[in-house]
Amino acid sequence: TQLLEQSPQFLSIQEGENLTVYCNSSSVFSSLQWYRQEPGEGPVLLVTVVTGGEVKKLKRLTFQFGDARKDSSLHITAAQPGDTGLYLCAGPSGTYKYIFGTGTRLKVLA
Amino acid sequence: NAGVTQTPKFRILKIGQSMTLQCTQDMNHNYMYWYRQDPGMGLKLIYYSVGAGITDKGEVPNGYNVSRSTTEDFPLRLELAAPSQTSVYFCASSPRSGLEGLPGNTIYFGEGSWLTVV
Repeated sequence: TQLLEQSPQFLSIQEGENLTVYCNSSSVFSSLQWYRQEPGEGPVLLVTVVTGGEVKKLKRLTFQFGDARKDSSLHITAAQPGDTGLYLCAGPSGTYKYIFGTGTRLKVLA
Repeated sequence: NAGVTQTPKFRILKIGQSMTLQCTQDMNHNYMYWYRQDPGMGLKLIYYSVGAGITDKGEVPNGYNVSRSTTEDFPLRLELAAPSQTSVYFCASSPRSGLEGLPGNTIYFGEGSWLTVV
C-alpha cells in the first residue's frame, strides 16, 4: 500500500520567516502534486513535479522532487499570512487513483 | 464557471438515517472521486469512477455506495449513518487518470459537504 507521510503536521510561524514542508514515501511515484486548502474550501493545485531532482518555483514557493522520486519538499520564503492553510501532497496510486498525504497545517502570524 | 458542484453544504443526520450527497461536474471529465477529510487530516479516497457505468472502491468504502449513470453526476449514498461518518466530504474530478497525462492533470474539487451524525 502506498502511503504519503507529511511533516511537520502543524507549523505556526511569524510573518517573514522561511519554512519547509516534507512529503515522504517508501514507494516510488511517477509524479507528485502539491495542493493548498484554505478553510471551508476544497484543495487547489499548486504544482506537479514529474522528474527526479526537479525544482519548480512559484513566486515565493519552491518545490523539489527527490532524485529517487520517493519524496518531495515545499519551501516557502518570507511567509505571509495569506500562505496560511493546509498543504497536501498527492500522487497517483495504481492506474486510476490519487492518494493524498496526511497534510501540514500552516499558520502564519502577522 | 461552475466546475464541481456539491450539495448539500451542511447536513446533520441521526444515527441510522440514510442520505445522498450530490455531485455534478460540467467539465466533461471521465474521472471522478469521493474523498472524506476528518478534522485536521488529509484526504481518504472512498470511491472513484473512470467513466459512466464504472465505479470502484477506494481506501475507505465501507458504509457508502456510489453510482455513475452519466458523465456529469457521481452521487454518494450513506446507508445507516454512524458517528464515524462525521466528516467533510469532497467530490472531485480530473480529465485524465493518475498515471497518464501527468503535468497539468489537475484534480478539481468541490467546496465540500459538512456532515455530522448524531
